Amino acid sequence: GENVEQHPSTLSVQEGDSAVIKCTYSDSASNYFPWYKQELGKRPQLIIDIRSNVGEKKDQRIAVTLNKTAKHFSLHITETQPEDSAVYFCAASRGNFGNEKLTFGTGTRLTIIP
Amino acid sequence: DVKVTQSSRYLVKRTGEKVFLECVQDMDHENMFWYRQDPGLGLRLIYFSYDVKMKEKGDIPEGYSVSREKKERFSLILESASTNQTSMYLCASSFTFARWDNYEQYFGPGTRLTVT
Repeated sequence: GENVEQHPSTLSVQEGDSAVIKCTYSDSASNYFPWYKQELGKRPQLIIDIRSNVGEKKDQRIAVTLNKTAKHFSLHITETQPEDSAVYFCAASRGNFGNEKLTFGTGTRLTIIP
Repeated sequence: DVKVTQSSRYLVKRTGEKVFLECVQDMDHENMFWYRQDPGLGLRLIYFSYDVKMKEKGDIPEGYSVSREKKERFSLILESASTNQTSMYLCASSFTFARWDNYEQYFGPGTRLTVT
């Protein structure tokens, strides 16, 4: 089955700096890669996702890049703010539909230092 | 607004007890999922269901069973609770066919289960 590795497990950055979280996956058939954010005491929520036919996707300060050949994808957060402090999970799926299972990484705890 | 609710936020049970965790969604989602979340291990899929009465094993199904008798409700059952099942349990739901390319899994608030 799919295996997703995520690094680093913890990350601290100064407010205003950029943060990068990296994930690798093992199943070359995976084609959907979402990122979820979980604030302290709250439920995980989708913040951005990318499909394998796209190399990069941006949404304001957040971007995700995908390298299919190397089987890795990354989350980039620019101009970090205190509200970016959370645990971030990457995931991978073969899914062309929502009924295919996601395999999650182990999470990265991001702390923004004021 | 999507709502996924879970029957309890906190639950304390004794070893050997049968435990029921219930999840309800109000978005007419076809798919429902049960995960457990442990520090350093991320979210691990226990079981999922893509239709009423259908179920598929996830990555860690041992010691658990599920039931989906109605589309909006998905139950996780611990047949005989053990201390290694102490964890945060999260339910999620999603559409099979995306609306506006949105395959998001919507999570419930979680149930923190302690088995003593």
